[in-house]
Amino acid sequence: AQSVTQPDIHITVSEGASLELRCNYSYGATPYLFWYVQSPGQGLQLLLKYFSGDTLVQGIKGFEAEFKRSQSSFNLRKPSVHWSDAAEYFCAVALNDYKLSFGAGTTVTVRA
Amino acid sequence: EAGVAQSPRYKIIEKRQSVAFWCNPISGHATLYWYQQILGQGPKLLIQFQNNGVVDDSQLPKDRFSAERLKGVDSTLKIQPAKLEDSAVYLCASSLPTGSEAFFGQGTRLTVV
Repeated sequence: AQSVTQPDIHITVSEGASLELRCNYSYGATPYLFWYVQSPGQGLQLLLKYFSGDTLVQGIKGFEAEFKRSQSSFNLRKPSVHWSDAAEYFCAVALNDYKLSFGAGTTVTVRA
Repeated sequence: EAGVAQSPRYKIIEKRQSVAFWCNPISGHATLYWYQQILGQGPKLLIQFQNNGVVDDSQLPKDRFSAERLKGVDSTLKIQPAKLEDSAVYLCASSLPTGSEAFFGQGTRLTVV
């Protein structure tokens, strides 16, 4: 069955520390891969996406993600988090039809 | 550029009542999606339109949910009658026909009591 898994429900990180959010997928073929961020009361904003090519993808707000085919993973990273990065992060996948299937999300709390 | 507009932002209704949500996509975006996001879960696709035609409504509970997209622009999502488990945020998104990136509205938070 096709699925998207975000193993970490909640992560707490200190401001200035690095952040890594995990995402694994199970699909018959390599799907298109996305990371979205959702701040409280807001809609989803696209951070970055991977369709093909370079497996290290740069996004907005200083985020990057690495696609690893052998591990069926697309982990999101940021070298130094800011208090404004506190939000919920969703990994999503899509096939050629671009219909998004989302993981359950990871809530990030940033402590001072 | 104006984003995806949704209204209302919040709605509280009693079970068995009906409710409707409205979405205005980004100008020129032929593809429109409705997602349901239950607390603690990721969004789940309910229905996808291409212009005014339905592309996929396989996850739409058709006994109580309906959606339409008049003239291929605005869309409404209706629930009748509502159940407690319909409490969720309903997100509208739109994209160009080639896909690539879906832009989301702020959503409508529905509480059914």
